[in-house]
Amino acid sequence: EDKVVQSPLSLVVHEGDTVTLNCSYEVTNFRSLLWYKQEKKAPTFLFMLTSSGIEKKSGRLSSILDKKELFSILNITATQTGDSAIYLCAALRSGAGSYQLTFGKGTKLSVIP
Amino acid sequence: GAVVSQHPSWVICKSGTSVKIECRSLDFQATTMFWYRQFPKQSLMLMATSNEGSKATYEQGVEKDKFLINHASLTLSTLTVTSAHPEDSSFYICSARDRARAQHFGDGTRLSIL
Repeated sequence: EDKVVQSPLSLVVHEGDTVTLNCSYEVTNFRSLLWYKQEKKAPTFLFMLTSSGIEKKSGRLSSILDKKELFSILNITATQTGDSAIYLCAALRSGAGSYQLTFGKGTKLSVIP
Repeated sequence: GAVVSQHPSWVICKSGTSVKIECRSLDFQATTMFWYRQFPKQSLMLMATSNEGSKATYEQGVEKDKFLINHASLTLSTLTVTSAHPEDSSFYICSARDRARAQHFGDGTRLSIL
């Protein structure tokens, strides 16, 4: 059975701290790993990682995929209160003529002033 | 770019009513869209894959006669919850897949059945 496991489930940090969120996966016909940020509504796309070892960056956020060890990390430096959200990782798999996402349960990040 | 619009945002209706939710990709074409359901404090659960011009593919345990999906164009998919009951109350989210196969989500529809 496909599974995506995120850790920690919840994290509380102070503004300015750096955090690392973890995501491991066991998915058949794996294609890519995606990260999303979910606040009050639906998830917002952050990164899509297909190649191993290539870091993607967007401002204070960065992410990398290790396809050998089957995990990905999402780093957030100099955290701000606006970074408080649930961060979801999802493994994109192919099958039955389509591409589907399997989501982890998310990491709830709380950044306090 | 990659904007997905979902409508309505919130629906409250009586038990037995059918509810239609629309999902539109505004600035790209999406041959494939997805419908998810999310319960409080839980992650997204895929309900079905919607393919333009063909029948939707439903996940195990999802009643296709209950949750009707129509993907009539490259920018629009609809989910109709037929004869909705209180246990159907949930947060429904659609996503549209772009050419790179990344999925972009709508803002979701909160459905409350009284």
